[in-house]
Amino acid sequence: EAQVTQNPRYLITVTGKKLTVTCSQNMNHEYMSWYRQDPGLGLRQIYYSMNVEVTDKGDVPEGYKVSRKEKRNFPLILESPSPNQTSLYFCASSPSDRYEQYFGPGTRLTVT
Amino acid sequence: GENVEQHPSTLSVQEGDSAVIKCTYSDSASNYFPWYKQELGKRPQLIIDIRSNVGEKKDQRIAVTLNKTAKHFSLHITETQPEDSAVYFCAASESGYSTLTFGKGTMLLVSP
Repeated sequence: EAQVTQNPRYLITVTGKKLTVTCSQNMNHEYMSWYRQDPGLGLRQIYYSMNVEVTDKGDVPEGYKVSRKEKRNFPLILESPSPNQTSLYFCASSPSDRYEQYFGPGTRLTVT
Repeated sequence: GENVEQHPSTLSVQEGDSAVIKCTYSDSASNYFPWYKQELGKRPQLIIDIRSNVGEKKDQRIAVTLNKTAKHFSLHITETQPEDSAVYFCAASESGYSTLTFGKGTMLLVSP
């Protein structure tokens, strides 16, 4: 089944404890992206990647890192999480011949 | 960077009525305008998109119009049904593979 997967789906952590949210797609898509969704603010893009080893900042990259060492994986790294990074995070991917983004199921992160 | 304003934030209609959601954008370089639907607790899904070389696109009960001169685009849903109830997001991008900026969303409620 073609899909985008994220792990974990739910995470509660403490301030300053490094964490990684994984994202993987099995559709051989070139483009991948991370978003955060907060009430009243909609979806905001954190980082995106047009292909392996190519990443670029979105609208809200501060406090996040990403890497794209393989085409299928695009992990989101929070080196020192803070409470203002409590949010619902979505990973998405799209193929090179269409702009439609396929979203993962989301990861709900709480930082205390 | 790009700024996308979306109105209204909530919209209540009776089943069978039409619904219109409007968005404005700030960056004249934007050329790609998708609309995503997000049902409660689910991931966003693309419902329709338009590129700047066309002024209107229709898919069954859904249509999108674009006015590049005025920098605004709109989503039109005709003959609304209760299953159309969801949050709708507009977005704008220079291309589908660069930064994608979303509006804050419109909660559409269709009453039977």
